[in-house]
Amino acid sequence: GNSVTQMEGPVTLSEEAFLTINCTYTATGYPSLFWYVQYPGEGLQLLLKATKADDKGSNKGFEATYRKETTSFHLEKGSVQVSDSAVYFCALTLNRDDKIIFGKGTRLHILP
Amino acid sequence: GAVVSQHPSRVICKSGTSVKIECRSLDFQATTMFWYRQFPKQSLMLMATSNEGSKATYEQGVEKDKFLINHASLTLSTLTVTSAHPEDSSFYICSAPGANYGYTFGSGTRLTVV
Repeated sequence: GNSVTQMEGPVTLSEEAFLTINCTYTATGYPSLFWYVQYPGEGLQLLLKATKADDKGSNKGFEATYRKETTSFHLEKGSVQVSDSAVYFCALTLNRDDKIIFGKGTRLHILP
Repeated sequence: GAVVSQHPSRVICKSGTSVKIECRSLDFQATTMFWYRQFPKQSLMLMATSNEGSKATYEQGVEKDKFLINHASLTLSTLTVTSAHPEDSSFYICSAPGANYGYTFGSGTRLTVV
């Protein structure tokens, strides 16, 4: 089946540290890949996306590259801020307008 | 950009009563709406997919008679939790696909059944 696996949290870092959250996927076709962020008590916001192999999604200093050979879409940021504290979800969809399959989420705590 | 307005944001109800959650697409037409449920510190579980003008498609294990979904127009989808019980307490989120592989999420509804 189709699934997303991401590293379990919580992840605790100091401000300005380098961040990596690992994400790998299993899919029967050629998925589009997403990272969503959820701040406390809120819904989800799209952070970035990539729709084909070797595409790099980027937003707010975060980046992720669609690696077909390793079926991965790891999230990175060079220097995190306290305001980045949230839950991050890796996700995929196989077809446009199809349902999204989410990973379990990774809670990120950034200490000042 | 595309906005989905979800109401109420929080609701507390007594066991046995019903609660309706609304999701409206404000500046686009949503022919499809996904309804998710999120347990504390867990991921989102897809409950059902609603399509305007037709019956909703429920995921395996989701009681369709308990979670009534209606998608009567291109801008409104509703989820009604019928005869609510404490175990139905959760965070419910709707999502509509938009343009260019974008999905817009509602802000969520925190349901507490007492």
